[in-house]
Amino acid sequence: GENVEQHPSTLSVQEGDSAVIKCTYSDSASNYFPWYKQELGKRPQLIIDIRSNVGEKKDQRIAVTLNKTAKHFSLHITETQPEDSAVYFCAASRNTGRRALTFGSGTRLQVQP
Amino acid sequence: DTAVSQTPKYLVTQMGNDKSIKCEQNLGHDTMYWYKQDSKKFLKIMFSYNNKELIINETVPNRFSPKSPDKAHLNLHINSLELGDSAVYFCASSQESHTGELFFGEGSRLTVL
Repeated sequence: GENVEQHPSTLSVQEGDSAVIKCTYSDSASNYFPWYKQELGKRPQLIIDIRSNVGEKKDQRIAVTLNKTAKHFSLHITETQPEDSAVYFCAASRNTGRRALTFGSGTRLQVQP
Repeated sequence: DTAVSQTPKYLVTQMGNDKSIKCEQNLGHDTMYWYKQDSKKFLKIMFSYNNKELIINETVPNRFSPKSPDKAHLNLHINSLELGDSAVYFCASSQESHTGELFFGEGSRLTVL
């Protein structure tokens, strides 16, 4: 099955700095890579996703890059704000075979004002 | 209107008891899931159903029995509760099976004493 590793487990940045979270996956057939944000006591919510036919996707202050050859993808948050503080999860899945979305272990991002 | 709703939100019970968590989605999605989030925040798939058919059962003990009376509902029944079952259980649904955005419920925090 798929195995997703995520680093770092915790990340503290100053407001206005950039934050980068990295994930690697094991199943070369995976073709869908979403990122979820989970605020304290809340449900996970999708913030951005990328499919294997593109290498980069951007949405305002967040961007995701995908390197299929190396089997890794990253989340980039620029100009961080205190409300970006949350746990971020990467995930991977494929649309063939009976494989559910496999999540990474999460990164707790703390943005210091 | 809440898209994915699950009840109860909190459940405190004794070891050995049997309990159920109910989930309903009004998004018209065909696929529904149960995820378990442990104390370390790790999100792990338990089951997925597509249009009432079980698609994935990820090595979950048979004390856990999902039931999908129709494609808008996926309930989770747990027999003979153990201490290690304490976790937050998230129901979710998606339009695409396994490669689309997951819409999570608010979670049900189960505490087994």
